[in-house]
Amino acid sequence: AQSVAQPEDQVNVAEGNPLTVKCTYSVSGNPYLFWYVQYPNRGLQFLLKYITGDNLVKGSYGFEAEFNKSQTSFHLKKPSALVSDSALYFCAVRDGRGSYIPTFGRGTSLIVHP
Amino acid sequence: GAVVSQHPSWVICKSGTSVKIECRSLDFQATTMFWYRQFPKQSLMLMATSNEGSKATYEQGVEKDKFLINHASLTLSTLTVTSAHPEDSSFYICSASFSTVNSPLHFGNGTRLTVT
Repeated sequence: AQSVAQPEDQVNVAEGNPLTVKCTYSVSGNPYLFWYVQYPNRGLQFLLKYITGDNLVKGSYGFEAEFNKSQTSFHLKKPSALVSDSALYFCAVRDGRGSYIPTFGRGTSLIVHP
Repeated sequence: GAVVSQHPSWVICKSGTSVKIECRSLDFQATTMFWYRQFPKQSLMLMATSNEGSKATYEQGVEKDKFLINHASLTLSTLTVTSAHPEDSSFYICSASFSTVNSPLHFGNGTRLTVT
């Protein structure tokens, strides 16, 4: 079975400060990890993914994520937050041995204050 | 690339009527499409997985006779909410994917359904 946890319902950060949105996962095989962003009344947009290779993955809009196998985590980061980054962020996982259907976390609302 | 178009973006209908939502992959062939439902400030609830040319696979608790899904071609899947009721009011989102486990999902912009 595969699962994803996003422990924070909401993350608040001041503009210009670094941000982190946390995600941990559980799979039986190799993990395929994804981050998506959702703006109000819109569908989700793909930000980045980890398949294999470098643990630090760079994606769209200056976001990056760090894969940590020992901690089974895939936290989303950005060095300097923008007010326009305020949105709902979803982590998702697919198990290399398991279901083709991805499992999504419950989402984390990021609020960047001016 | 990998654009998914979903229509309509919003619809208001009367209780008892049916509503069809279309999901098209514009620049790629999607062997699999997923239909999600999202309640306010909540995560995505997978309703069904749709494979081209075969019957959709519904998640537990989703009424297949109420939420009819058709995936007639590699670029089009439709969700029909039959005999809609106010409790069906929600945000419905489709997504499409290449048939590889390392491919991300590509989402439509969602449909806001309001049943009066």
